[in-house]
This record gives sequence, structure tokens and C-alpha cells, in this order.
Amino acid sequence: AQTVTQSQPEMSVQEAETVTLSCTYDTSESDYYLFWYKQPPSRQMILVIRQEAYKQQNATENRFSVNFQKAAKSFSLKISDSQLGDAAMYFCAYGDTSGTYKYIFGTGTRLKVLA
Amino acid sequence: NAGVMQNPRHLVRRRGQEARLRCSPMKGHSHVYWYRQLPEEGLKFMVYLQKENIIDESGMPKERFSAEFPKEGPSILRIQQVVRGDSAAYFCASSPLGGSAAEAFFGQGTRLTVV
Repeated sequence: AQTVTQSQPEMSVQEAETVTLSCTYDTSESDYYLFWYKQPPSRQMILVIRQEAYKQQNATENRFSVNFQKAAKSFSLKISDSQLGDAAMYFCAYGDTSGTYKYIFGTGTRLKVLA
Repeated sequence: NAGVMQNPRHLVRRRGQEARLRCSPMKGHSHVYWYRQLPEEGLKFMVYLQKENIIDESGMPKERFSAEFPKEGPSILRIQQVVRGDSAAYFCASSPLGGSAAEAFFGQGTRLTVV
């Protein structure tokens, strides 16, 4: 069974600085998706970035980028030029491409942005 | 184009009552997923439905929980005889025809409180 591990319950970053959130996963599949979701206090699940496992190039979305290491089963999120609005829970998720396409979520990292 | 709509946003039930949570997927989406988020935890998969069919209910508790997605109308997650441990946020997600792990669109969740 697939698992997702986020080992940092909480992280802090100074405004305008860079922070990296860690995620590791375990799977025997070769094709899958990986995601980072942001959950602010409103509880809305907001997709931050998506990575397809068969693509070697790391995904980027404006100030957000990932470091995808398939062999190491690592998928970290880098947030550059951190803003106060980035403060939220961040969840790493694994998307199954075979069978039912369900997502497996990590336990989350609470990001605090300090002014 | 409305997103995934869940209602109610907040639901309070006394122990032993029934809770009915509704989810209307995005227009054109015929795949619905339900996830549960316990306090301070990540989302856990419960059930995957297509119109009139339950495809995967491996994450559903064996008793008191049921889900449906009728030909017409929203998907319903039903919890009978609620207990305090059912207090959680319940999220619905939908994906396009054919299913896709590429992206699931999440609703804003229903927060169930059992008193």
C-alpha cells in the first residue's frame, strides 16, 4: 500500500525568505501523480502544484517549485519570497493512476510566516 | 462554472442522530470521492463513486456509514447513529468523465460536530 510521510509538523519562515517543506512516499508503482495542497483556515483545499511521475522535469508555479527525486521517493516543496498569505497547512498527496485514482495524503506541515 | 458544492458547511448532531452530507460535483464530472479529516490530521480516503455505482469503499467504516451517488441529484454521505468520534471535516472531490488522478477538485467541506 502507498504511504505519504511529512516529517515536519510545523515550519516557520521570515517574510520574503525561502522555505522547503519535505515529503517522502512509498509505492511500487512507476506511474503516479504527486501534489502539494494548501489548506488555509477556511479549510478549502487549494492545489499548489502537481508533478507527474514520468516527467523528470521539476514542476514550477510562480513562487512554488518542487524537487522531485523519483529514486529516493522524495517530493519537497520550495516556497520562494514567502508572503503572509502563504501561512497555512500544506499537505503532500500521492495520486494513484491505476484503479480508483484516490489520493493518499500526508499528515501535513503547518507553515507560519513571520513579518 | 460553479465548483464542487458541499452542504451544509457546518452540521451539529446529537449522539445517536443521523447526519446527511451532500456533494454536488462540478458540471460534467461523474466521479465523486469522499474524504474525512480528523482534527490535526490529513485527509483519509473513504469512498469512490460513479453515477449509481460504488467503485471503491475500502476506506468506509463497516458500520453506520453509507454513500450513494444517484442518477439525478447530489452524492450523499450518510452517517447513522453518530458518535463523538465521527466529529470531523468531510470533504468531497470530483473528477472528470473517465476518472483522472491528474486533479481532483475539492469542495469546501462539511464540518460535523457531534455533541
